[in-house]
Amino acid sequence: GENVEQHPSTLSVQEGDSAVIKCTYSDSASNYFPWYKQELGKGPQLIIDIRSNVGEKKDQRIAVTLNKTAKHFSLHITETQPEDSAVYFCAASTSTGNQFYFGTGTSLTVIP
Amino acid sequence: NAGVTQTPKFQVLKTGQSMTLQCAQDMNHNSMYWYRQDPGMGLRLIYYSASEGTTDKGEVPNGYNVSRLNKREFSLRLESAAPSQTSVYFCASSEVPGANSPLHFGNGTRLTVT
Repeated sequence: GENVEQHPSTLSVQEGDSAVIKCTYSDSASNYFPWYKQELGKGPQLIIDIRSNVGEKKDQRIAVTLNKTAKHFSLHITETQPEDSAVYFCAASTSTGNQFYFGTGTSLTVIP
Repeated sequence: NAGVTQTPKFQVLKTGQSMTLQCAQDMNHNSMYWYRQDPGMGLRLIYYSASEGTTDKGEVPNGYNVSRLNKREFSLRLESAAPSQTSVYFCASSEVPGANSPLHFGNGTRLTVT
């Protein structure tokens, strides 16, 4: 099955700096890569996703890049704010599969 | 718009006790899922229901059973709880299975088995 690895496990940045979280996957058939943000005491919420026919996608301060050849994808958060502090999860899935495979999460702390 | 609702929010069980975790979604989604979340291990799929009337095992199904009661509701049952089942459980739904639509999560049930 698919194996998704996520790094780093913890990340601290100063407010206003950028944060980058990286994930790798093993199954070349994976073609959908969502990112979730989980705040304390809540369930994960989708913040951005990318499909394999696209190399980059942006939504305001958040962007995701995908390198299919290298089988890795990354989340970029620019101009970080304290409310960006949360745990972020990457995931991968295939169009024919019924399962999402999650990374182990990155705890992001934005220091005011 | 409630989305995905899970009950209870917290539960403490003694080893060997049984309980059912309830989940309901009001988005008319076809697929529903149960995940468990443990420190350092991310989210692991226990069972899923691709559509009403079907259920399938995920990555970690041992010790659990599920029922897709109707399109809205998907319950998770622990027949004889064990300390290894101490975890946070999340229910999720999606419009269709797999990569064609993203997951929507509930806020979780924190279960402790002593």
